Amino acid sequence: GAGVSQSPSNKVTEKGKDVELRCDPISGHTALYWYRQSLGQGLEFLIYFQGNSAPDKSGLPSDRFSAERTGGSVSTLTIQRTQQEDSAVYLCASRLRLAGATNTGELFFGEGSRLTVL
Amino acid sequence: GQQVMQIPQYQHVQEGEDFTTYCNSSTTLSNIQWYKQRPGGHPVFLIQLVKSGEVKKQKRLTFQFGEAKKNSSLHITATQTTDVGTYFCPFSGGYNKLIFGAGTRLAVHP
Repeated sequence: GAGVSQSPSNKVTEKGKDVELRCDPISGHTALYWYRQSLGQGLEFLIYFQGNSAPDKSGLPSDRFSAERTGGSVSTLTIQRTQQEDSAVYLCASRLRLAGATNTGELFFGEGSRLTVL
Repeated sequence: GQQVMQIPQYQHVQEGEDFTTYCNSSTTLSNIQWYKQRPGGHPVFLIQLVKSGEVKKQKRLTFQFGEAKKNSSLHITATQTTDVGTYFCPFSGGYNKLIFGAGTRLAVHP
């Protein structure tokens, strides 16, 4: 597709249930990021994937959160035993990583997945 | 670790007034990017500054990168209601990791 695609766009779940959020980055983008944004707040970094390197998981708030990226493309963010404080918009972004460059190139964001935990 | 402060956190202006937001870093930055997020939307890239003292303009928006590459500013001339949103200057939290922070929320009243 032309842009970063996220699904579902909206998810309502009950406390204690597991949820999976999907991100399909722009074709050819090797870097993929997950962020979380609570209502009226800034973006909280969760995890970063770069090619075949080990992901940077330093932003995951607890061991209930995990993410994987299969085949260097699609990524899934999984939240186990959801809690009400997990309610937020989960944003995925991707970008090209230029050879030899650090932190260059714009991030392209998806529309986000809005998670509501009742 | 590296810290970047963005000020103000919130600005309320009348349409037609100017607006400036600042990002200040405790360490030298290799580059800085600016993003805008409209209410209900997702962040959208505006610009990247790389060179010391660099100034770039996009219509009514002027972006500056400080001589020491420790600060940056975004200035909007004669704000319009379409400028409403949150402006972010994410910084590097490590190799290729971008930390966004709270941003500056701009409200424009007609």
